[in-house]
Amino acid sequence: GIQVEQSPPDLILQEGANSTLRCNFSDSVNNLQWFHQNPWGQLINLFYIPSGTKQNGRLSATTVATERYSLLYISSSQTTDSGVYFCAVANQGGKLIFGQGTELSVKP
Amino acid sequence: GAVVSQHPSRVICKSGTSVKIECRSLDFQATTMFWYRQFPKQSLMLMATSNEGSKATYEQGVEKDKFLINHASLTLSTLTVTSAHPEDSSFYICSASRGPEGTEAFFGQGTRLTVV
Repeated sequence: GIQVEQSPPDLILQEGANSTLRCNFSDSVNNLQWFHQNPWGQLINLFYIPSGTKQNGRLSATTVATERYSLLYISSSQTTDSGVYFCAVANQGGKLIFGQGTELSVKP
Repeated sequence: GAVVSQHPSRVICKSGTSVKIECRSLDFQATTMFWYRQFPKQSLMLMATSNEGSKATYEQGVEKDKFLINHASLTLSTLTVTSAHPEDSSFYICSASRGPEGTEAFFGQGTRLTVV
């Protein structure tokens, strides 16, 4: 099955810094999503981005489907950005396969 | 975005008992829903695909007799953990999409199961 790798696994930032999270996948996909998991476990949809570039406030994402990777950019990070960020992809049957996540900690 | 609601959010049960978790799509119909499991500090692992009106499809290594899935309507899928044991304690979460394969998926709030 399809493999999903996220990097880095952990990231510590000072408030105000920028960061880039990466997601590599091993096969062509028809769905790619980025999520933020809050402390209560809820998965917050950040981007649905099987290809192209999108922006939402301080967050943006780019997926280069032909090269099988996606990037999530966080600018001017805030303490509330802390948590685990997951990339998930699907290529058949709608089954999302998750990466291992990046745990982000933003210090004041 | 679409709303997926899961209930209960937290449950504690005794070993040997069964627990039912509900997943509802509130503002759309979903012929397919998915169930995931997450252990502490780990990623989400797909357990099974719930198909409305037919049998669920389980991922390799998931016991279908322990994790019973019923998708009786276009807005409701249930996961029943049968004869629960402490090792079944985990975070269970469901998802559904408004459209066909490849469209954006939305997740329920999750259910934290503790078996004592």
